[in-house]
Amino acid sequence: GEDVEQSLFLSVREGDSSVINCTYTDSSSTYLYWYKQEPGAGLQLLTYIFSNMDMKQDQRLTVLLNKKDKHLSLRIADTQTGDSAIYFCAETAMDSSYKLIFGSGTRLLVRP
Amino acid sequence: NAGVMQNPRHLVRRRGQEARLRCSPMKGHSHVYWYRQLPEEGLKFMVYLQKENIIDESGMPKERFSAEFPKEGPSILRIQQVVRGDSAAYFCASSPPERGLAQYFGPGTRLLVL
Repeated sequence: GEDVEQSLFLSVREGDSSVINCTYTDSSSTYLYWYKQEPGAGLQLLTYIFSNMDMKQDQRLTVLLNKKDKHLSLRIADTQTGDSAIYFCAETAMDSSYKLIFGSGTRLLVRP
Repeated sequence: NAGVMQNPRHLVRRRGQEARLRCSPMKGHSHVYWYRQLPEEGLKFMVYLQKENIIDESGMPKERFSAEFPKEGPSILRIQQVVRGDSAAYFCASSPPERGLAQYFGPGTRLLVL
């Protein structure tokens, strides 16, 4: 079955870059997503990438996709304390274009 | 353009009671999805609805859970005879009619069963 895996925790210093990694299993996924969840809040869509792209940049965010290794990463440049949150990687399920399969989330802590 | 609205934000129920969770999609969105998040876990798909139709309920428990999205009004996720294991955050998402576009999530309803 489908599975999305992420490391559980990442700690960085304010101003440094953060790189959050994700591996997925379904090579037929059309879209891959990054969501941010702050404590007690819902999920905020940060960015998504089509599976035929290798990279997507949006201001401080850079998404890299390695289809061969089924590896997705999110790089946050100049990380701020407001970036502290849980980051979820998600892929579309094998049997549908709408069912999202989420990883367990990476908790990012930004130290001042 | 208001985002996805969910209410209540917090709901406390005793075992055996019913829980009703409401979701109003973003303006112009006709597709609604419900997900459940257990503590320290990612979200798990429950059901996908369009107006007056359940498209995919493969993630819904077979008993006690039901969902609807009527022609008028919000989508409702209903849990009958709640048990402690139903305690979780329930998120609704919506997307536009065009296929392949991203889902936008509401703030969630945190259900606590005592």
